[in-house]
Amino acid sequence: EVQLVQSGGGLVQPGGSLRLSCVASGITFGTYSMNWVRQAPGKGLEWVSCITSSSIREYAASVKGRFTISRDSAENSLFLQMDNLKDEDTAVYYCARSFGNWGQGTLVTVSS
Amino acid sequence: DIVLTQSPGTLSLSPGERVSLSCRASQTISSSHLAWHQQKPGQAPRLVIYGASSRATGIPDRFSGSGSGTDFTLTISRVEPEDFAVYYCQHYGFSPYTFGQGTKLEIK
Repeated sequence: EVQLVQSGGGLVQPGGSLRLSCVASGITFGTYSMNWVRQAPGKGLEWVSCITSSSIREYAASVKGRFTISRDSAENSLFLQMDNLKDEDTAVYYCARSFGNWGQGTLVTVSS
Repeated sequence: DIVLTQSPGTLSLSPGERVSLSCRASQTISSSHLAWHQQKPGQAPRLVIYGASSRATGIPDRFSGSGSGTDFTLTISRVEPEDFAVYYCQHYGFSPYTFGQGTKLEIK
C-alpha cells in the first residue's frame, strides 16, 4: 500500500520560513516524479512544484524564487523549503506521487 | 498556461441519477495527460481518472472518462451517496500542471 506521510506545517509570520516533509512508503520512490499542491481555505487546488526522478525542478510562477523543492531518495523523502512567506501562501499543502497518490495534507498559516 | 474551465459549478442530484461533468481547456491537451480527482470535505484529493479515460486503482466502473482535444467529460452512470464531492480536472503534460476550478456534486 502506498503511503505519503507529511509533516512540518504550522503558523509563521510574513517573511518567515518553513520546511515541509513528505515520507513515502510502498513505492520505489526514486523512480517517480513528486509534486506539491496547495489549497487555500475554501478554494480549489493549485499546483506548486514538481521534482522529477532525475531531480529536474519546476515551480509555479507564484512561488518561483521563494520555494525550493528537493528529494532524498535514500530516505524516501520529499521536501519543500518555503522562504519569504506571504499571507497568500496560507493553505493546506499536499505532496503527491505523480498525482496518483496524495499525502494527508499539512496546514501552513502565514499571519502576524 | 493552460486554463481549464469546469461546468457547471454545482450540480444538485439524487442518488441513482446519471451525471456528466465538463472540463474545457484553453488549448489542445494530449488525452494522455488529463486527469480527474475527487475531493471530499476535510480529505486529500483522490485520483479517479487518468489519461482521460483510464480508471485509477479501486475506482468503481460507474465512473468513466472521455474526450479529446479541448473537451473532456467525467460521467458517473448511477450516483451513489459516497460520490457526492468536488471533482477537479487537471492537465499534467507539462508545467504548470493546472487544475480546473472544480464542480461540486451535492445531494438534492
